[in-house]
Amino acid sequence: GNSVTQMEGPVTLSEEAFLTINCTYTATGYPSLFWYVQYPGEGLQLLLKATKADDKGSNKGFEATYRKETTSFHLEKGSVQVSDSAVYFCARRNSGNTPLVFGKGTRLSVIA
Amino acid sequence: EADIYQTPRYLVIGTGKKITLECSQTMGHDKMYWYQQDPGMELHLIHYSYGVNSTEKGDLSSESTVSRIRTEHFPLTLESARPSHTSQYLCASTGTSGTDTQYFGPGTRLTVL
Repeated sequence: GNSVTQMEGPVTLSEEAFLTINCTYTATGYPSLFWYVQYPGEGLQLLLKATKADDKGSNKGFEATYRKETTSFHLEKGSVQVSDSAVYFCARRNSGNTPLVFGKGTRLSVIA
Repeated sequence: EADIYQTPRYLVIGTGKKITLECSQTMGHDKMYWYQQDPGMELHLIHYSYGVNSTEKGDLSSESTVSRIRTEHFPLTLESARPSHTSQYLCASTGTSGTDTQYFGPGTRLTVL
């Protein structure tokens, strides 16, 4: 079926630590892939996206590479800050006529 | 910044009341969505629309209903609220391409007593 699986949290890191949040997907064809972030008390906002194989999305120091061979889109950041504490959602969309499919979310807490 | 709005942001009501959660966007998007977010964070798609007079049920069965009379407006209605409806409700919209960003409103946190 079509699904998105991301690592379960919560993830707790010290400031300046390296972050990886794993995300894998199953889908037919060539989906577009997204990472969204939700800060406390807010809606989701796009963090980055990649629309074809080998594309790398990047924003605010976060990166993710569309790996078709491993059907993965892992989120990484080299040095996290306290302000990065939030819930992160991986998502995919097969085409313009299908809704986004979200993973279950991963809560990240960064401590000073 | 996304031009998508939800009102009210917070609502506390008693059981049996009829409520409407408002969602509006000024981006001219045809596609709009309602999600229910449980305390465990997971998002559940409950309704979506691909244009005026088009509405579809999502993956999670919901007792709510929606309407799409105008492109910019996608309200969600509960005819008789119950405590089990207590949740965070998120509205979203997107353009026509599969690569388009989906924009979310700030959410409505509903508590039914």
